[in-house]
Amino acid sequence: TQLLEQSPQFLSIQEGENLTVYCNSSSVFSSLQWYRQEPGEGPVLLVTVVTGGEVKKLKRLTFQFGDARKDSSLHITAAQPGDTGLYLCADASNDYKLSFGAGTTVTVRA
Amino acid sequence: NAGVMQNPRHLVRRRGQEARLRCSPMKGHSHVYWYRQLPEEGLKFMVYLQKENIIDESGMPKERFSAEFPKEGPSILRIQQVVRGDSAAYFCASSPWTGSGTGELFFGEGSRLTVL
Repeated sequence: TQLLEQSPQFLSIQEGENLTVYCNSSSVFSSLQWYRQEPGEGPVLLVTVVTGGEVKKLKRLTFQFGDARKDSSLHITAAQPGDTGLYLCADASNDYKLSFGAGTTVTVRA
Repeated sequence: NAGVMQNPRHLVRRRGQEARLRCSPMKGHSHVYWYRQLPEEGLKFMVYLQKENIIDESGMPKERFSAEFPKEGPSILRIQQVVRGDSAAYFCASSPWTGSGTGELFFGEGSRLTVL
């Protein structure tokens, strides 16, 4: 099982600002997922990326998968308080046995 | 359409007691998974079950922990003789069978166990 490193660990920004969080591994992902987990809730799948260089957009969220498939980033444009939460990346290469990073806690201040 | 239902949401136990966590999968889902989230750590896979079968328990501690998914009723994660290190959030997820894999996992809201 490969280790996933997420950075930064914490991020606090003002409403309207942009932010980027990162997910890195020393090994290649065949499939990587991003989740958002709100306080007291379970994680909710945002996106799955499988192809090196792939870019996916979900409203104000842009997900990028590195060419070498060892890293990924999540960029949020014009963040809103509703974007507050714990953002988790997960190696989904092994079907149901997801391997999660420790996450980035994002706080968007109104 | 109800999601994955877990109960209790919060459970407090003293050291040495037993904890039972229950999970009802989404309607139409036949696969259940348990994950544990320790403070400041990512979620860790524990076990994968189908009705009356344990498919993969490679993430389960060898002692004190057991899981079942009976023909009728919810899946149960049982922790015997709890210790303080068992304090964590326990998440259940379910998925359908897609024919080519287990498909997207849908997580419940979790059961938060505190051991005093």
